[in-house]
Amino acid sequence: DAMVIQNPRYQVTQFGKPVTLSCSQTLNHNVMYWYQQKSSQAPKLLFHYYDKDFNNEADTPDNFQSRRPNTSFCFLDIRSPGLGDAAMYLCATSGRLGGYEQYFGPGTRLTVT
Amino acid sequence: DQQVKQNSPSLSVQEGRISILNCDYTNSMFDYFLWYKKYPAEGPTFLISISSIKDKNEDGRFTVFLNKSAKHLSLHIVPSQPGDSAVYFCAASANFGNEKLTFGTGTRLTIIP
Repeated sequence: DAMVIQNPRYQVTQFGKPVTLSCSQTLNHNVMYWYQQKSSQAPKLLFHYYDKDFNNEADTPDNFQSRRPNTSFCFLDIRSPGLGDAAMYLCATSGRLGGYEQYFGPGTRLTVT
Repeated sequence: DQQVKQNSPSLSVQEGRISILNCDYTNSMFDYFLWYKKYPAEGPTFLISISSIKDKNEDGRFTVFLNKSAKHLSLHIVPSQPGDSAVYFCAASANFGNEKLTFGTGTRLTIIP
C-alpha cells in the first residue's frame, strides 16, 4: 500500500540536544509538509517542500530546519530542542501544492527532558 | 489568532443517530474546506471537502454543509456507527485550495453502542 511513514514514532531527547525526525513516502508526491501539533491544539504548518523548493512559514523558529534529499524522504531537524518543542510532528504529502487533500503519516511524538 | 474554530472539543452520539460536527471560520478569503478524521496512533485521513461554489457535498453517510454568510460549516454523519468514533478536524484553504491548510483544534466524536 502506498503510504507515508514516520520514524521513529516516539522520540525522547534532552534539552538542547539536536534531534532528527524522518518521513518517507511511497506516493511519489511532489509536495511534503511538516506540521507541529501540541496537545489540544490545531496542527500548525512549519514548512513544506515542492520538489526541491523549500518554503518556510514566517513564524517557524530558526531552530527548525528541514532537508529533502530526494522525492521519497524528508527530514525535520531541531537544532536545540527546548521544552516548548515537545509535540506531535506530522508529515504529510500531496500531489499538488496548496490546501488540497493531503496524506498524513502517523506522526512522531517528541518528548524533551 | 485561531482562524478556524471547532468550539466543541467532544461530542457523544448514540449509534444509528445523526452526528453533527461544527466548524466556524473568520478569514473571508477561505473558499475551500476539508474534513479530516483521525484515529489514535494514526495520522489524519481525508474525509470530504467542499468548495465555496457549493453549499453541500455528500459522500455516502457523510455530508458537509457550507453557510458562507455565517462563515460556518458542518459535517453530518448519518447513521453514526461505532467506527466513526475518532477526532474530526476541520481545515480551510484560500484561493480555491491553492493556499496552505489552516486547521481547527478538532472535535472528539464518541459513538455510543
